[in-house]
Amino acid sequence: EDQVTQSPEALRLQEGESSSLNCSYTVSGLRGLFWYRQDPGKGPEFLFTLYSAGEEKEKERLKATLTKKESFLHITAPKPEDSATYLCAVQRYNNNDMRFGAGTRLTVKP
Amino acid sequence: DSGVTQTPKHLITATGQRVTLRCSPRSGDLSVYWYQQSLDQGLQFLIQYYNGEERAKGNILERFSAQQFPDLHSELNLSSLELGDSALYFCASSKQYQETQYFGPGTRLLVL
Repeated sequence: EDQVTQSPEALRLQEGESSSLNCSYTVSGLRGLFWYRQDPGKGPEFLFTLYSAGEEKEKERLKATLTKKESFLHITAPKPEDSATYLCAVQRYNNNDMRFGAGTRLTVKP
Repeated sequence: DSGVTQTPKHLITATGQRVTLRCSPRSGDLSVYWYQQSLDQGLQFLIQYYNGEERAKGNILERFSAQQFPDLHSELNLSSLELGDSALYFCASSKQYQETQYFGPGTRLLVL
């Protein structure tokens, strides 16, 4: 069965303190790995899709990377407005649903 | 703003009742997905429709059903509600199946 494990569950950073969030996955026939950001009480907001090991994508202070077993979301010099829960999800070929991890709750203090 | 709309934003009802949640996908998207998010279960896939037809089923209870109409909007019907059905319900849409899904703002359901 597909499994997605995110760590840590919660992360507190000072503004400007760079760090990484981890998403480990077990899935046969990975079609894509997705990163979303979710603010409390809101819908997940799409950030990145990664399709193959070695792929990297960047957006502002965020960079996502993918290996055959895990993905990292690197946050460089975070700001308080980066505080949110970050979710990763995997999708298999020939399977339309996505399996989500439990998320990492990030708090960035000024 | 993802372009996916959901109504109502909040819903308070009693056990045993039936409710209908509505979702309008982004313009041009043919696929609609429903998810349930509760504190202890995280984001769980319920069901997917593509151009009016059911395409995939996840952890959807028999008390729940959905449909997608010719104008591509979708409704999720929840019946015989129980306290444990209290959760956030999200709709997402994508152009085709197996493409990036964009989520709506959700409907918060509280069953008393």
